[in-house]
Amino acid sequence: NAGVTQTPKFQVLKTGQSMTLQCAQDMNHEYMSWYRQDPGMGLRLIHYSVGAGITDQGEVPNGYNVSRSTTEDFPLRLLSAAPSQTSVYFCASSYSSPRGELFFGEGSRLTVL
Amino acid sequence: AQSVTQLGSHVSVSEGALVLLRCNYSSSVPPYLFWYVQYPNQGLQLLLKYTTGATLVKGINGFEAEFKKSETSFHLTKPSAHMSDAAEYFCAVTGNQFYFGTGTSLTVIP
Repeated sequence: NAGVTQTPKFQVLKTGQSMTLQCAQDMNHEYMSWYRQDPGMGLRLIHYSVGAGITDQGEVPNGYNVSRSTTEDFPLRLLSAAPSQTSVYFCASSYSSPRGELFFGEGSRLTVL
Repeated sequence: AQSVTQLGSHVSVSEGALVLLRCNYSSSVPPYLFWYVQYPNQGLQLLLKYTTGATLVKGINGFEAEFKKSETSFHLTKPSAHMSDAAEYFCAVTGNQFYFGTGTSLTVIP
């Protein structure tokens, strides 16, 4: 019963490097989303998808790309990492967007030096 | 547009005392409201939700919340705090997206 799986759990990057945070869900959810969590700022929506082939920007999309080629996977790409992208990233999915319950992964802690 | 305000970023209560975490929302459509809990180094878990119907909603671990439309509030309560309740709590409202509050860190003092 995996739910939402995120990898890696921890990552350290140097400024300018690129990387991909992986997110997979096995609940056949149409809606998937990425949030970043920073102290005192709660969760802020980066990108979201309402189904395969459909993505859209959230509140803080700059510096991030997403794609949704399958229902199960929703990777988040950092194009050129900056120290301001040091954060904890959460992937979340929902059967009925956005009115249904969000199911969260355990998070990916990213540090950009 | 939707938004959530959580009053008090840190709340401390004694074990066995009442827990009250405050949440006020703004929504241009009938809101769906949620409370999530986050334990250290974990993702968020749903505590309870209000969609329609009964305004007093009961959740897991003895928590409940009451939707008050006239006050645009959805405060979270628990009659008697337990040490295991220490965590970060987030209120959220949905419209076209989920909008989270900035969170309230609950400390339980033995």
